[in-house]
Amino acid sequence: EVQLVESGGGLALPGGSLRLSCVVSGFSFSNYWMAWVRQAPGQGPEWVANIKGDGSKESYLDSVKGRFTISRDNAKNSLYLELNSLRAEDTAVYYCARDANYQDNRIYYDVYDIWGPGTKVTVS
Amino acid sequence: AIQMTQSPSSLSASVGDRVTITCRASQAIRSDLGWYQQKPGKAPNLLIYGTSTLQSGVPSRFSGSGSGTEFTLTISSLQPEDFATYYCLQDYNYPRTFGQGTTVEVK
Repeated sequence: EVQLVESGGGLALPGGSLRLSCVVSGFSFSNYWMAWVRQAPGQGPEWVANIKGDGSKESYLDSVKGRFTISRDNAKNSLYLELNSLRAEDTAVYYCARDANYQDNRIYYDVYDIWGPGTKVTVS
Repeated sequence: AIQMTQSPSSLSASVGDRVTITCRASQAIRSDLGWYQQKPGKAPNLLIYGTSTLQSGVPSRFSGSGSGTEFTLTISSLQPEDFATYYCLQDYNYPRTFGQGTTVEVK
């Protein structure tokens, strides 16, 4: 069964740190980009960061650049997000998602096709 | 960053109604647009990618169209399980950006 399960959320002080984890099962983890997407209370989702299958390339949302670090351990089928210098506006449910390329008429599209249930981060 | 603007932000409809949601991009994004459905307390779920291609398992009452800067999600005959919030997402460039959402409520 394909499954993503996040953990590590909780309550943090402004300026504090947390480390989120996402354990993956049911597909070849190292073959896929992975992403973190967050959703603040009552708001739409917000893409945060993604990382290539071999860990060689990362991208970040500008507002988290320099504060958050995405990483992965393919031997452990695990994705991570290190959150530092936390701010109240980082309060959200954080989802990990498989970042897949789907082909249609020889064009590739980037989709988030499998998601975890999310882990809640509260900065207060 | 590309801004994605959805309209309406909410709508009330009945089972069997035809529902249309619009998403506008602040710049042209070719056909690099997906639609996601989200129910309360759950993660978003992929419905459509590449503007108009249904994800496997998604009912054919869902359809997408558009290109460039204007896109549409249509539900041809609303079913009880379709009451949810819908988001568009551009995958043209980084950062990926979602629309603010359209909530489809029971009339």
